Amino acid sequence: EPEVTQTPSHQVTQMGQEVILRCVPISNHLYFYWYRQILGQKVEFLVSFYNNEISEKSEIFDDQFSVERPDGSNFTLKIRSTKLEDSAMYFCARTGGATDTQYFGPGTRLTVL
Amino acid sequence: KQEVTQIPAALSVPEGENLVLNCSFTDSAIYNLQWFRQDPGKGLTSLLLIQSSQREQTSGRLNASLDKSSGRSTLYIAASQPGDSATYLCAVLSDSWGKLQFGAGTQVVVTP
Repeated sequence: EPEVTQTPSHQVTQMGQEVILRCVPISNHLYFYWYRQILGQKVEFLVSFYNNEISEKSEIFDDQFSVERPDGSNFTLKIRSTKLEDSAMYFCARTGGATDTQYFGPGTRLTVL
Repeated sequence: KQEVTQIPAALSVPEGENLVLNCSFTDSAIYNLQWFRQDPGKGLTSLLLIQSSQREQTSGRLNASLDKSSGRSTLYIAASQPGDSATYLCAVLSDSWGKLQFGAGTQVVVTP
């Protein structure tokens, strides 16, 4: 199984602050995703990213969120002005084909105070 | 709108028993279904992917079946071990961009 890494493992921030979560890609994977899991709830899809563009996003993924792969290396999720309800585990996932197995990272636990 | 349900929410079995985990989905127009394992506070580990054209997929002690027309999948884990204790999630892929929709999971405890 391809290794997927995410940094940081835990991020604590104050409400209203910007956070950037990072995912280290596998060079031969083309599709990237962000999901989140609020404590005790289902894993929820946020956004899919293909060929350096957003291919699909959920209702959760509003203007406060953005994704990019700035230099072909890290795949990042930015939350511009965090809210208390953004506290969750954020998972990056990647796959070589949209209908192939998705491999998830260990997650970043975001705590907004 | 696709809804994914997993029953039961929790399951406790003695070591050596076979585990049967259920997943149901409301829209049968899926590309595939994936089973994951999640340990507390950890990420998701992919266990099996079963394509919509397949009826069954096996990996070691794990066997997943898919009945697309009835909207059901079952994960069987043979001869359970304490190390199998975890939460098991199923997720369906209903669109071509890879958006997975998850069930809430079944929390499994295997007692020695």
